[in-house]
Amino acid sequence: TQLLEQSPQFLSIQEGENLTVYCNSSSVFSSLQWYRQEPGEGPVLLVTVVTGGEVKKLKRLTFQFGDARKDSSLHITAAQPGDTGLYLCAGVEYGNKLVFGAGTILRVKS
Amino acid sequence: NAGVTQTPKFRVLKTGQSMTLLCAQDMNHEYMYWYRQDPGMGLRLIHYSVGEGTTAKGEVPDGYNVSRLKKQNFLLGLESAAPSQTSVYFCASKRNRQNTEAFFGQGTRLTVV
Repeated sequence: TQLLEQSPQFLSIQEGENLTVYCNSSSVFSSLQWYRQEPGEGPVLLVTVVTGGEVKKLKRLTFQFGDARKDSSLHITAAQPGDTGLYLCAGVEYGNKLVFGAGTILRVKS
Repeated sequence: NAGVTQTPKFRVLKTGQSMTLLCAQDMNHEYMYWYRQDPGMGLRLIHYSVGEGTTAKGEVPDGYNVSRLKKQNFLLGLESAAPSQTSVYFCASKRNRQNTEAFFGQGTRLTVV
């Protein structure tokens, strides 16, 4: 099983600040996903990136897939308290398994 | 739209007891997954199924068994519960090999004492 490493594990910032979360692997995935999870709930998909070098934007969130399809980043601009949650990256192993990183806990203080 | 439903939501077991967690999806998805989530370790794959009647091992299968007798249901069994199996268990499903979006249930919090 391919491993995904996320960093940082925990991030506490003030409202309005920018942040970046990283997801790295030594192996190639067919695609990579980012999920957000709130307490007491299951993860919910934010985005899927498929092509090396791909950049996708979702309002204030920007997702990038590395050229070699081994890493990805999530950048949040002007973070808001509503962005607080656990962010998980997940690698899709050529259609079957979905493998998750350990997650980044984000806390945005107002 | 129910989506993915997990039963029960909470359970406390004594060491050595057995139980079955039920996952039901009403989206006609082919693929189903069982994960456990522990603090600082993200979601770890226990077992998964790519269709009715099929199952496969994930990263941490020991101590668990699964069955997929009906397409809409994926059962996770603990034959003899251990304290190390205290965790939050999530079930997920996705449509097929091409469609990668996974839909998750709300989780089952299991405590083994």
